[in-house]
Amino acid sequence: GAVVSQHPSWVICKSGTSVKIECRSLDFQATTMFWYRQFPKQSLMLMATSNEGSKATYEQGVEKDKFLINHASLTLSTLTVTSAHPEDSSFYICSAYGGGGTDTQYFGPGTRLTVL
Amino acid sequence: SQQGEEDPQALSIQEGENATMNCSYKTSINNLQWYRQNSGRGLVHLILIRSNEREKHSGRLRVTLDTSKKSSSLLITASRAADTASYFCAATYSGSARQLTFGSGTQLTVLP
Repeated sequence: GAVVSQHPSWVICKSGTSVKIECRSLDFQATTMFWYRQFPKQSLMLMATSNEGSKATYEQGVEKDKFLINHASLTLSTLTVTSAHPEDSSFYICSAYGGGGTDTQYFGPGTRLTVL
Repeated sequence: SQQGEEDPQALSIQEGENATMNCSYKTSINNLQWYRQNSGRGLVHLILIRSNEREKHSGRLRVTLDTSKKSSSLLITASRAADTASYFCAATYSGSARQLTFGSGTQLTVLP
């Protein structure tokens, strides 16, 4: 299947700093990528849909100025958590549909963010 | 919220037994996908079933879909300790721009 990578796999930062998470499609082009957040022992909640070359679409309740998404190329989307606070600590996962019009969505390995 | 429900929330079985997880969703779907997540890891795609399909198999996995009841089930036969993980269903609702809406998940523990 298609491979999606994320970097970093984990990050610890101080409150008030910004953190950038990268999501890459390694062997296919992804015009659309998705960003999810997952709290411990809970399900995944969609944060936003990242569209190559245009603005991201955010889900209700997700602050677009807090979670900046940039999808500058067909293989890379970035999520920047600005002025992070302890309540932003979570597991962030990206995904993309594999190439060729498949309906299967492939997920990255996730990034564990801990804000002190 | 369109988030579906899964039951049971947790399931503990002995190795070799079968495990069945159920998923319910809200409105009409294009397809429904099942994923596995090991603790602290990303999601692994298991199987996709389309709205016009009723059953699909993949190795020890069997997925059924009942659109009249808006429900799906995942059966893992002859379970192994390595099957221990969280299992999620995820629906692509009609007209949703191909976004996935996840169920609440089932934590499966297979005891050796």
